[in-house]
Amino acid sequence: DSGVTQTPKHLITATGQRVTLRCSPRSGDLSVYWYQQSLDQGLQFLIQYYNGEERAKGNILERFSAQQFPDLHSELNLSSLELGDSALYFCASSVGLRAIDEQYFGPGTRLTVT
Amino acid sequence: AQSVTQLGSHVSVSEGALVLLRCNYSSSVPPYLFWYVQYPNQGLQLLLKYTTGATLVKGINGFEAEFKKSETSFHLTKPSAHMSDAAEYFCAVSDTGNQFYFGTGTSLTVIP
Repeated sequence: DSGVTQTPKHLITATGQRVTLRCSPRSGDLSVYWYQQSLDQGLQFLIQYYNGEERAKGNILERFSAQQFPDLHSELNLSSLELGDSALYFCASSVGLRAIDEQYFGPGTRLTVT
Repeated sequence: AQSVTQLGSHVSVSEGALVLLRCNYSSSVPPYLFWYVQYPNQGLQLLLKYTTGATLVKGINGFEAEFKKSETSFHLTKPSAHMSDAAEYFCAVSDTGNQFYFGTGTSLTVIP
């Protein structure tokens, strides 16, 4: 158990819909990262937040957005969903904001778009 | 942009044999390099990382990797495979800008 929690575990929704994925970091960690893992595109870094502020942006689509709240939990919002958005979405947390700080991964949310 | 290439999407070794998983990267600046392991239905777990200094890096579970700048490689090895090593392994590279790039993964099977 990494100490990072993600809800829900599974999500099934239809094309065109909007969903919100939630991540609670380990106690004391200030950074949250979001990743997408799919068969087509492999594992991709989406975005990083540190203490409420966006720090780094990867291959995140404009239809996707994220935020980190004052209690440090983070949400990833996916809108206008397409079949290709079906994937496993991981969040990870680390104590600091540097790339070399060890990241602890949650169990993931599996999103299925039908 | 940086990229990571993992040669061999599937590797099979006998229990007790050497494990060698290959990773090559492209980077215009000195990178940070990582190996992660993913067990079925779980998130990723850091095995080891290279930042600066000693080029031979030791990680958890008996794994190690050597950073070879001239070959732009960061291959992962373990002298003796154990059944519990069966998993998916990902090589990743990051720059100081916190952009992360992952390889496509290598599935390791350990044959008893």
